Amino acid sequence: DGGITQSPKYLFRKEGQNVTLSCEQNLNHDAMYWYRQDPGQGLRLIYYSQIVNDFQKGDIAEGYSVSREKKESFPLTVTSAQKNPTAFYLCASRWGPGELFFGEGSRLTVL
Amino acid sequence: QKEVEQNSGPLSVPEGAIASLNCTYSDRVSQSFFWYRQYSGKSPELIMSIYSNGDKEDGRFTAQLNKASQYVSLLIRDSQPSDSATYLCAVHTGGFKTIFGAGTRLFVKA
Repeated sequence: DGGITQSPKYLFRKEGQNVTLSCEQNLNHDAMYWYRQDPGQGLRLIYYSQIVNDFQKGDIAEGYSVSREKKESFPLTVTSAQKNPTAFYLCASRWGPGELFFGEGSRLTVL
Repeated sequence: QKEVEQNSGPLSVPEGAIASLNCTYSDRVSQSFFWYRQYSGKSPELIMSIYSNGDKEDGRFTAQLNKASQYVSLLIRDSQPSDSATYLCAVHTGGFKTIFGAGTRLFVKA
């Protein structure tokens, strides 16, 4: 089945640790996105990538990093510089100007 | 001014009524507009997409777009308790970003 796979589903991090969230898609989409969602809030754009080896900062990129070495993969690293990382993280992909296809999300909690 | 604005609600309607959800956006060169439904703890799922001015109907859902007024809306006819969720308006801007509104919480009372 075509789709987007995010892992892990749940992740706990200690203060000062970097963690990486995985996002893989087999939809052959060029563009991929990472969003953050806090309770009761909408989705805020962290990073996006239109093609391999290229990505742009979204509205809340500070404390996060990404890479796009393969078309299928767009991992997100939450660094220790992100002061309030507890949130629901959503990865998405799209073809052209069409709709976003979302993964099931990763819930990160800082202990 | 936020790029995409929605009333946060909650919007409460009785079962069988019409629910009306509204959204405004600031980027005039935006080209694609979407409504997503999100249940608590789940990822968003697409309800409607609309790309040109006017109305687009799909079952109980109608999306309306007015690019001159920078306004997009979603009507849900014959609302059901299962429609109770958060509805997110999303706009694909000229800068290849898709920006979301804060969402409107809808409650349909049985």
